[in-house]
Amino acid sequence: QKEVEQNSGPLSVPEGAIASLNCTYSDRVSQSFFWYRQYSGKSPELIMSIYSNGDKEDGRFTAQLNKASQYVSLLIRDSQPSDSATYLCARERAGSYQLTFGKGTKLSVIP
Amino acid sequence: KAGVTQTPRYLIKTRGQQVTLSCSPISGHRSVSWYQQTPGQGLQFLFEYFSETQRNKGNFPGRFSGRQFSNSRSEMNVSTLELGDSALYLCASSLVVGKAPEAFFGQGTRLTVV
Repeated sequence: QKEVEQNSGPLSVPEGAIASLNCTYSDRVSQSFFWYRQYSGKSPELIMSIYSNGDKEDGRFTAQLNKASQYVSLLIRDSQPSDSATYLCARERAGSYQLTFGKGTKLSVIP
Repeated sequence: KAGVTQTPRYLIKTRGQQVTLSCSPISGHRSVSWYQQTPGQGLQFLFEYFSETQRNKGNFPGRFSGRQFSNSRSEMNVSTLELGDSALYLCASSLVVGKAPEAFFGQGTRLTVV
């Protein structure tokens, strides 16, 4: 099993809908999780970080973490065409000083 | 506040040559990490530096090396370039507070080996 897994997509949602992006990880040592957005030809941009079980909201974005089930998700409400990008899930093991990334999920928001 | 600055943005090198990439972190950030991104392998960790010390290294051959200077700027070097080294090389900096500092990426250096 890969350390961090994401469905590669593409995930297509209509404008205004909720986009749901999921990520699973393979170990119980991971403590910190991050979602990055990467537009084609650009570098990753940090959207959310989450460290505790539960939900964390920031504007149209909600990150959800369930450590018992080893998954983390990102919900994008009122999706806009400008949200079309690849979304990367990353985790850090405490004290490792490195991020391990999933391969990313490509999201397309259809106007 | 200026972001992470990487130079050069683009490089074309010949097999067997060596290359040095530079990264200037966000002001006040003392941790610098390097990643390689390719279509097949995605983002892979190369190494991380803090206060001029390498704290972790990824699973890359010894041809890949790095260093950090006292002003937190960092360089990475790849010697004896191979075609497979063609990739986007990304630098990220972090403000070291709390358990898991958030990492912010530079624009990257696109390296093409011919």
